Amino acid sequence: EVQLVESGGGLVQPGGSLRLSCAASRFTFSTYWMSWVRQAPGKGLEWVANIKQDGDEKYYVDSVKGRFTISRDNAKNSLYLQMNSLRVEDTAAYYCARGQYESSGYYFDYWGQGTLVTVSS
Amino acid sequence: QSVLTQPPSVSGAPGQRVTISCTGSSSNIGAGYDVHWYQQLPGTAPKLLIYGNSNRPSGVPDRFSGSKSGTSASLAISGLQAEDEADYYCQSYDSSLSGSVFGTGTKVTVL
Repeated sequence: EVQLVESGGGLVQPGGSLRLSCAASRFTFSTYWMSWVRQAPGKGLEWVANIKQDGDEKYYVDSVKGRFTISRDNAKNSLYLQMNSLRVEDTAAYYCARGQYESSGYYFDYWGQGTLVTVSS
Repeated sequence: QSVLTQPPSVSGAPGQRVTISCTGSSSNIGAGYDVHWYQQLPGTAPKLLIYGNSNRPSGVPDRFSGSKSGTSASLAISGLQAEDEADYYCQSYDSSLSGSVFGTGTKVTVL
């Protein structure tokens, strides 16, 4: 079965940076869109970013544009999220998810277990 | 903020049928974009439950069904079981936001 394992979360001060990683296995990583979705403590799900198979197309939710960068290394079967200028409101569990892109929309068919990012002074 | 609205909670006795609504607008569900549903058991990651409005991934019981009409969608759970206690989220694409959007989430309680 598809496996997605996130890492890199932790405690960081406001204004700081953090890089999340997601190790993918048991599927052909280079042929799928990939995404990050987050969930603040006790809150709902929020899509963060998508990246196309070759990395040429990237999309972000408005609240992270200019601060977060999604990237991937197909040779290493890995997805990344570089988070800069972190804010208290970025505190959340961050999930790596495999994407299914269709003309009628996009959905997330497999999810990792999540990594917790806490932004606090 | 979520652009897809769900009831905060629904409940039912074991064996009953419950439905969860997901109300959107002309820039997402009403624009023809598909609706997908996720189940999140306590303390775990979300899991895909329904995709493309009404399709079940392999392994999802046929007690779960989805439908879409106009600017809304619904998830129905028939023959409710204790293991169905979880949070449920709808999700679609929004053309005005140029990205995926999730519903506000619904907590299902089995009485």
